[in-house]
Amino acid sequence: AQKITQTQPGMFVQEKEAVTLDCTYDTSDPSYGLFWYKQPSSGEMIFLIYQGSYDQQNATEGRYSLNFQKARKSANLVISASQLGDSAMYFCAMSQPTGNQFYFGTGTSLTVIP
Amino acid sequence: DADVTQTPRNRITKTGKRIMLECSQTKGHDRMYWYRQDPGLGLRLIYYSFDVKDINKGEISDGYSVSRQAQAKFSLSLESAIPNQTALYFCATSDPSGRETQYFGPGTRLLVL
Repeated sequence: AQKITQTQPGMFVQEKEAVTLDCTYDTSDPSYGLFWYKQPSSGEMIFLIYQGSYDQQNATEGRYSLNFQKARKSANLVISASQLGDSAMYFCAMSQPTGNQFYFGTGTSLTVIP
Repeated sequence: DADVTQTPRNRITKTGKRIMLECSQTKGHDRMYWYRQDPGLGLRLIYYSFDVKDINKGEISDGYSVSRQAQAKFSLSLESAIPNQTALYFCATSDPSGRETQYFGPGTRLLVL
């Protein structure tokens, strides 16, 4: 069964606008971590943001914020004030201490339009 | 200098050849991982190691083997390469005492002809 689901294969956003990339996850473990990674066309995987399952507040890192809705099992990434350099693939991922597993979604390709 | 390095960065090989991809890290993490990435499939775990004496199969280990030579080094071998092993391969490390954030190397692009 899919642990991480990203339903948007591709997204477009106008430069300087905000964009939300969707991610839902599946787990019955109360302890887990949620991550977002960026993969530009050069191929490297860049860690963006982390949310712990027990964290009370949504995580923020600069222009990135994670909209964590625990009851809905969603962990959407919000990028504010999009820049051309934000064009990349974005992957949602989850870690589970139980079983020592790390799961990735299939990714969303974001294109920022000038 | 990069914390996680992979060599080679690009490799072309022929069907049936044995090849090794190497990963080194200076982050001091005990946990190391090998993933492959195929278009539309995200990253899939091949093998992972929680210390030098602990190696585990991941989701897609068939056709691959690994060696953990030291805390800082984790190598992936394709015993007899086949064309459907053409992919982008990533090494990653994580710190179990922290958030388990995975830190990735730059990747190795492998083409099997």
